Formats: sequence, C-alpha cells, structure tokens
Amino acid sequence: EVQLVESGGALVQPGGSLRLSCAASGFIFSNHAMSWVRQAPGKGLEWVSYFASSTTNIIYYADSVKGRFTISRDNTDNSLFLQMNSLRAEDTAVYYCARVKFGSYSFDYWGQGTLVTVSS
Amino acid sequence: DIQMTQSPSSLSASVGDRVTITCRASQGISNSLAWYQQKPGKVPKLLIYAASTLQSGVPSRFSGSGSGTDFTLTISSLQPEDVATYYCQKYYGFPLTFGQGTKVEI
Repeated sequence: EVQLVESGGALVQPGGSLRLSCAASGFIFSNHAMSWVRQAPGKGLEWVSYFASSTTNIIYYADSVKGRFTISRDNTDNSLFLQMNSLRAEDTAVYYCARVKFGSYSFDYWGQGTLVTVSS
Repeated sequence: DIQMTQSPSSLSASVGDRVTITCRASQGISNSLAWYQQKPGKVPKLLIYAASTLQSGVPSRFSGSGSGTDFTLTISSLQPEDVATYYCQKYYGFPLTFGQGTKVEI
C-alpha cells in the first residue's frame, strides 16, 4: 500500500525557516517523480515544487516560492523534503506531498498534509 | 503561464442529476489535464488523467472529455457521496496549474 506521511509543520514567525519531510513507503520511491502541493485555509490547491525521479535530477518551482524554497530527496531513505526560508504570511497552508503518476504529471497519491502557519 | 479557469465556481443539484463542470485553458494543452475530487476535510483524490482516462477504482459515473483548451468533467448520476470540490489541473509544461475549484452540493 502506498503511503506518504508528511511532518515538520509548525507555527513560525515571518522571515523564519522550516523543513518539511515526507516519508514514502509501499512503492519504489526512486522510480517516481514527487511534488509538494499546498492549500491555504479555505482556498484551492497550489502546486509548489517538483523533483523528477532519480534518473533525471530535474527540479521546478512555482514562481511564488522560487529562491526561497528548496526541494530535495533521499532515495536511500525514501524521503522527500522541502526547505522553506524567508517565510511569509501567504505561505500559510497545509502542505501535501504527492506522488507523480507515471506517464503524466498528475498526482495519484497524496499524503495527509502538514500545516505550516506563518504568523507573529 | 497558462491559466486554468473552471466554471461554475459552485453548483447545487439533486441526487440522480447529470452534472457538468468546465475547465478552460488560456492556451492549448493537448490532453494534459487531470481532475481531482476533494471531499470536505479530506485529501484530494485523482479521478481522471489525460483528459478522459479514469483512474483505477473511480466509479464509472465520472467521465472526462476535451482537448486543446476546453475540458469537461461529467458526473452522470450525482450521488450523495459526490459532495466535494472538484479541481482541474493542467500538466502541459511547468508550472503545473490548478483551476480554482468547483464546489458541488446537493
């Protein structure tokens, strides 16, 4: 059974940093591209970042986080990470780890999400 | 960047009704479109990818169509468990973009 479990969400002050983690199991992690998607309270879904599978180290970011967030992965530990720096109030959201479906850039499995709140 | 516009933003229908949600891309995206269902308080669930391919395990009352710029998600016979917000997502290049969502109520 595919499982994605996020952790690391917290209350942080504007300008602060946070590192999110996503532990994957139930599939060959290194074979799949992965992404982070966020959802602000009461709002829609926003794609944040993408990391290709281990065969190609291709990374993309949404303009809203470029230069502040860094995605990484550890294929030996089946983990995905999101380092978030210079956090802003508008980064407040539930952050989901999502598996990219083979043959498309849609998301076939999602974690339960971890809440990041940026507030003083 | 390619923008995705869904309509309507919300709708109310009766059990058994046929429901159609539209998603329009600001530029052609071939068939690089997915649909998701998010029930209240739950995680998004992939319903359809490649515009019309049903994800495994999704009931056959859900269907998708379209290509280029105009896409539709159809629920052939609305059920109480279909109350949710539905999102389209384009994946024709980066950034990946979601529509703003359509809330379906009964």
